[in-house]
Amino acid sequence: DAEITQSPRHKITETGRQVTLACHQTWNHNNMFWYRQDLGHGLRLIHYSYGVQDTNKGEVSDGYSVSRSNTEDLPLTLESAASSQTSVYFCASSSGTGTEAFFGQGTRLTVV
Amino acid sequence: GNSVTQMEGPVTLSEEAFLTINCTYTATGYPSLFWYVQYPGEGLQLLLKATKADDKGSNKGFEATYRKETTSFHLEKGSVQVSDSAVYFCALSQAGTALIFGKGTTLSVSS
Repeated sequence: DAEITQSPRHKITETGRQVTLACHQTWNHNNMFWYRQDLGHGLRLIHYSYGVQDTNKGEVSDGYSVSRSNTEDLPLTLESAASSQTSVYFCASSSGTGTEAFFGQGTRLTVV
Repeated sequence: GNSVTQMEGPVTLSEEAFLTINCTYTATGYPSLFWYVQYPGEGLQLLLKATKADDKGSNKGFEATYRKETTSFHLEKGSVQVSDSAVYFCALSQAGTALIFGKGTTLSVSS
């Protein structure tokens, strides 16, 4: 069965370190998204991609970057982790606008 | 820009009670509308959707009708169960934009 997987599921890192969260989907979807979930804020869009070599900034993109070198993967990099980036991160993919998005299980990141 | 507003929670109900979670949206044109559900410790999964005005989405006893005149997509269920306890998110999607979510409403159902 097709799926979308995130790794790691949990990570603790120190302030100032570079961190990369992986997202891999086997749906062959063109669209991929990264969100962060924080209490009182719901899900906020960080970055998204509509295809290989395409990336776009979302609502809360400062301090984050993504690259899309193939259809299956959209890794999220925190260039220099800050305590404000402690959150639960969700990756999602969809085949197109107006279609169902499939979510990964999430990565809980703690920056100490 | 586009936005989604849903009622603040938490919502606490007894089993078999009627549920309504309000959702309104702001968008130009005709977005697609969704309700997603998140069970504890899990990612989000699609509950139901509607892609044009007056469409009714339904799944697992939940329903929502796309009302363009009131820009609303309220979620309803006639008789909730303990297993419905979760966080519910209203969302919209439109051509050229990513999926945008409301802040979520936590539902707690007791037996």
